[in-house]
Amino acid sequence: QQQVKQSPQSLIVQKGGISIINCAYENTAFDYFPWYQQFPGKGPALLIAIRPDVSEKKEGRFTISFNKSAKQFSLHIMDSQPGDSATYFCAASMLSQGGKLIFGQGTELSVKP
Amino acid sequence: GAGVSQSPSNKVTEKGKDVELRCDPISGHTALYWYRQSLGQGLEFLIYFQGNSAPDKSGLPSDRFSAERTGGSVSTLTIQRTQQEDSAVYLCASSEQTTGELFFGEGSRLTVL
Repeated sequence: QQQVKQSPQSLIVQKGGISIINCAYENTAFDYFPWYQQFPGKGPALLIAIRPDVSEKKEGRFTISFNKSAKQFSLHIMDSQPGDSATYFCAASMLSQGGKLIFGQGTELSVKP
Repeated sequence: GAGVSQSPSNKVTEKGKDVELRCDPISGHTALYWYRQSLGQGLEFLIYFQGNSAPDKSGLPSDRFSAERTGGSVSTLTIQRTQQEDSAVYLCASSEQTTGELFFGEGSRLTVL
């Protein structure tokens, strides 16, 4: 019920390509779905987040697509750049219960020049 | 600085010793979280403090782990009788009560020999 499943575990994309990372959740009480980006030796940092009342949110090259009926959401990185190489984590929480985040296992993205 | 501060950044200890990890959250943030990140793994929730409420300890893996938060600010995570499987990066995060965005520190890397 509390799990968030993320795929793929690793991803290699050419510069300029589209990176797509997928997540699935079980608990329909989740009401907040963020994506975090982590560089080596650093803590994760919020990249973009979505609430379940919208199906898509875009910020620059980053887009979250949300499918409530399928209990899935995905991160799309357009025009991927070598500087986007990092580990990406999806997460979910119930803001009404304090916002404790349950994280996916992470995707290590490598963007080749 | 204005970010979440953790200390020590690195700790090497012998099996069976006790360790204390410290977290200084962002001023004014009422919520504080501890997560554990093992090599190549996702972020595992440990414990969550919110204001004066009783902490959510549901993620602590054993009774060797404990945490306290003094004066609603600084938090200490204590691991007693450390085991090799405790080796990981321990991440602290803080947030304002309602936004859902967690701000992470850079972590404390614990190595148990």
